[in-house]
Amino acid sequence: GAVVSQHPSRVICKSGTSVKIECRSLDFQATTMFWYRQFPKQSLMLMATSNEGSKATYEQGVEKDKFLINHASLTLSTLTVTSAHPEDSSFYICSARAGLHYEQYFGPGTRLTVT
Amino acid sequence: AQTVTQSQPEMSVQEAETVTLSCTYDTSESDYYLFWYKQPPSRQMILVIRQEAYKQQNATENRFSVNFQKAAKSFSLKISDSQLGDAAMYFCAYRSVLNNDMRFGAGTRLTVKP
Repeated sequence: GAVVSQHPSRVICKSGTSVKIECRSLDFQATTMFWYRQFPKQSLMLMATSNEGSKATYEQGVEKDKFLINHASLTLSTLTVTSAHPEDSSFYICSARAGLHYEQYFGPGTRLTVT
Repeated sequence: AQTVTQSQPEMSVQEAETVTLSCTYDTSESDYYLFWYKQPPSRQMILVIRQEAYKQQNATENRFSVNFQKAAKSFSLKISDSQLGDAAMYFCAYRSVLNNDMRFGAGTRLTVKP
C-alpha cells in the first residue's frame, strides 16, 4: 500500500509557542489530506479536511486560527498548532487520499506534549 | 450527519478461537464505504477490510470477514483463528461517496489470551 509519513513523531513544546507537524504522501499524489486528533483511549476525531491549493474545511468546534492547515502541494500538508496550551496535548494523525474513490492512507501519528 | 456506533468497549478471545466485533451506523445515503481498521500499540492505523455498500457479497480477507446487513445498518467483523498479534484497538469507519470525510466509531479493544 501507499505510504504516508509524519514528522516529527514526537514533539514537546512550551505553552504559548507554536509547533508545526508535517504530513507527506511518499509515493502518490494526495489531492485530499485529513487531520485527526486522538485523545488517550478514544477514537479519531476529524479536525479538518484540506484539498490541494484550497483552504481547509474545519469541523465544528475546531478553531481554524489555532490549528493552521496548509496543503500547498500534492504531497505535503502541514498542521501548525499556534499558541499551544497543555490541553492541546494529544496524538495527531494525518491521512491522505489520491481521489474521492481512492483508498485513504494514514500516517504514523505525532504525539504532541505541551508543558 | 453519519454516526458510527461500536457498543463493545472491550472484547476478549482465546487464541485460535473466533470473535465477532459489532458495529452499527446511521446514514440516509444509499452508497458509501465501510471499513474496519486495526490500531496496535504503535498507533499506526492499519486497514483490515473494506466493504462497498452497493456490493451484497460480504468482504473477506484471509481470517477476517464481515457480516454486512445494509437494511439493518450493521457491519460486524469476524476474526477466525485468533492470533496474539490480533490484539489491538479495532475501529469501524464509515465514508460517504458524496463528501470527503471518514467517521470512526469509539473503538473496541480486543485482547487475545494465550
